[in-house]
This record gives sequence, structure tokens and C-alpha cells, in this order.
Amino acid sequence: GENVEQHPSTLSVQEGDSAVIKCTYSDSASNYFPWYKQELGKRPQLIIDIRSNVGEKKDQRIAVTLNKTAKHFSLHITETQPEDSAVYFCAAAPPGGSYIPTFGRGTSLIVHP
Amino acid sequence: GAVVSQHPSRVICKSGTSVKIECRSLDFQATTMFWYRQFPKQSLMLMATSNEGSKATYEQGVEKDKFLINHASLTLSTLTVTSAHPEDSSFYICSAPRGTAEAFFGQGTRLTVV
Repeated sequence: GENVEQHPSTLSVQEGDSAVIKCTYSDSASNYFPWYKQELGKRPQLIIDIRSNVGEKKDQRIAVTLNKTAKHFSLHITETQPEDSAVYFCAAAPPGGSYIPTFGRGTSLIVHP
Repeated sequence: GAVVSQHPSRVICKSGTSVKIECRSLDFQATTMFWYRQFPKQSLMLMATSNEGSKATYEQGVEKDKFLINHASLTLSTLTVTSAHPEDSSFYICSAPRGTAEAFFGQGTRLTVV
């Protein structure tokens, strides 16, 4: 089955700095890669996703890049703000009618004011 | 947007009792729903896949008799933790995919067994 590795487990940055979280996956058949943000005690919320037919996607301060050959994808947050502090999860999902994502272990992002 | 509602958000129960958690898709039909367990500061661990009209598919190591799943309709799946023990205390969260796109998560249920 799919295996998703996520690094780092903890990331501490100063407000205004950029943050990068990296994930690798093992199943070359995976073609959908969402990123979720989870605040303490709350549900994960999708913040951005990318499919394997594109290499990069951007939404304001958030961007995701995908390297299919190397089987890794990354989340980039620019101009970080304290409200960006949360746990971020990457996931990889295979094609097909049933979406069963495999999640990374999560990255706890702390943005210091 | 699509919404998945999960209830209750918090529950405290005594050891040996059973607890039922509901997961509803509010504005779309979900033939499949997923149940996860999340320990503090850890990732989402898939417990089982709930299939409407058929038996759930459990992940390795998850006791099907302990965690009963029923997917009685296209908008409702339930997880019943039977004969709960303190080690079952955790954050349980469901999700429902809309097609092959994103999965929407419920609010989660914080279960405490005393």
C-alpha cells in the first residue's frame, strides 16, 4: 500500500518568514495530493490540493509543488502569520472511484509573532 | 460547500458501556465514509471504510466487534464503540469523499472513558 513520509515534524518560524513542509510517497499510482490544516481539537480543513497532471499550484500565500518522478510534493507558505500556526497534514490518494487517502504524520507549525 | 456533520463532539462514558458516534453528509450522498482515530499530536489513523449497503472494511489491527460500523443510508454512517475501556479514549473523526475529489471531515468526537 501507499506510504507517506512527512518532514519536519515540528517547524518554528518567525512571523513573515516562509515555511516549507515536504512529503514523499511510495505508490506511483497516486495522483491526488491534498494538504490539510488542523487546529487543536478541530477537524482537518483542506487548504490546497494538486493532481498529478500539474507540477505547481498557488493560492495567495500558499503553494504546492509536485515532482512525480521523485515522488515528492511540498507545501510552501510565504509571509507566515501567527494564525498559520497549526498542524499540517499531507496526503496521497490513488485514482479510482473510492478516495482513500494515506496521511503523513503531520507537521506542527509554530509562527512566532 | 459540502459539509459533514459528526455528533456528539464530546462524550464521557463509563467503562463497559457503548457509545455511538454519528457521521452525516449534509448536502451530498456518500456511498463511502471513513473513520479515523487520532491520538494527541499524531496523524489520522484509518480505522475502517464504511460502505453503504454492505459490510465495512476494517484496517489491520482494528477489531470489528469492538468498533461496529453501520452505513444504513447514503448520508449516515455510525461508529459504535462497544464495551468501552479507558484505552479507547481518543479523538474519532469521520470523513466523506465527494466523488474523487477532496474528502470532507466531520468535527470529530472526543471520547473519554472513565
